[in-house]
Amino acid sequence: EIVLTQSPGTLSLSPGERATLSCRASQSVTSGNLAWFQQKPGQAPRLLIYGASNRATGIPDRFSGSGSGTDFTLTISRLEPEDFAVYYCQQCDISPPKFTFGPGTKVDIK
Amino acid sequence: QVQLQESGPGLVKPSETLSLTCTVSGGSFSSAYWSWIRQPPGQGLEWIGYVTYSGNTNYNDSIKSRVTISVDRSKNQVSLNVKSVTAADTAVYFCARVKVALYGEVIYYYMDVWGKGTTVSVSS
Repeated sequence: EIVLTQSPGTLSLSPGERATLSCRASQSVTSGNLAWFQQKPGQAPRLLIYGASNRATGIPDRFSGSGSGTDFTLTISRLEPEDFAVYYCQQCDISPPKFTFGPGTKVDIK
Repeated sequence: QVQLQESGPGLVKPSETLSLTCTVSGGSFSSAYWSWIRQPPGQGLEWIGYVTYSGNTNYNDSIKSRVTISVDRSKNQVSLNVKSVTAADTAVYFCARVKVALYGEVIYYYMDVWGKGTTVSVSS
């Protein structure tokens, strides 16, 4: 089973700053099947990125994903007030598909 | 626009079976997998398993001995049963659509639509 580690645990930033979140896998993620989700308190997770770098429908272009193999990054170019939330990465082993989530990174207001 | 709605009892007694239903509306039921995910209070997300339209299933190894996920195509519903529950099964339970997308020679699986979630507490 692939284990995901996210860093940092908490990221304290100000609106307008750049956020860089890391997700590291214990083994190579098959075909870049790595997704990122945003979750706000009391809400369901929201898909931001799939396939490591593809923005989901309706996601602003300040969100971008990159990486391959075992190292992946979510970048928020300029933080908006609504971006302060918890971010999870998730990988999918595709034969057959099985999913695991990382522990999350909380982005809070400095 | 696809919408998912979870429903079921909010309170289950220890050792009993937790049963939830996810109703899918507004889109194609046949072209995706349907998954359950849970989140204990103050903790992260845990994938439970999924069912395909044809009824094939796959589960998280950590819980597979107690879980059954099934599909009712006539009602556009997906069901989750977790037997022999304990306090550790207390969580918000989400259903989600797993989209299967082919990009050239690569298949991506990703959860693009989620229900709002339903809270289940296990307590006597």
